[in-house]
Amino acid sequence: QITLKESGPTLVKPTQTLTLTCTFSGFSLSTSGVGVGWIRQPPGKALEWLALIYWNDDKRYSPSLKSRLTITKDTSKNQVVLTMTNMDPVDTATYYCAHTEYQLGYYFDYWGQGTLVTVSS
Amino acid sequence: DIQMTQSPSSLSASVGDRVTITCRASQSISSYLNWYQQKPGKAPKLLIYAASSLQSGVPSRFSGSGSGTDFTLTISSLQPEDFATYYCQQSYSTLSITFGQGTRLEIK
Repeated sequence: QITLKESGPTLVKPTQTLTLTCTFSGFSLSTSGVGVGWIRQPPGKALEWLALIYWNDDKRYSPSLKSRLTITKDTSKNQVVLTMTNMDPVDTATYYCAHTEYQLGYYFDYWGQGTLVTVSS
Repeated sequence: DIQMTQSPSSLSASVGDRVTITCRASQSISSYLNWYQQKPGKAPKLLIYAASSLQSGVPSRFSGSGSGTDFTLTISSLQPEDFATYYCQQSYSTLSITFGQGTRLEIK
């Protein structure tokens, strides 16, 4: 049974750095083809993909946010960490982590419950 | 970036109706197209992957079709639990995954 759960601050101030942790179980991020992604959703708006890390430590970032994002993994702890610098109120959103595994393409088949991050002074 | 455009943005329908939602890619993405359902306050749920493959556990009234740039999600007979927002997502470009803007399906 695959599960994922996001954790991190619920409130950050503008210009601060956000650090979110995705703790997962039921799969290994050292298995070929497996990845973990981050997706966010501002209140009332659409989903936006942020970053993805693969089993081989290959990393992909949203071009529009690439300069602000860093994704890392700790295979021994079954965790993936996303950092986003220079937070702004427009970054207020629910942040999800999700599992992906290559099979006819990459898709997100298991999601965490999401964590709402509010950016406000 | 590959842009994904869904139509309509919102849709009203009745229980039992057949509903089709369209997703168009700004360039060919072969069959690397996935569909998700999202209900308020919940994480998205994968319905269809690779344009037409039904995810395990998803009712067979959901189906997907298309390739290249044009794709459709069809619900053959709407059930009360199907009223939600639906998103398409391309994975052709692993450099940049993109979602559509969503289609909100409401009860008429």
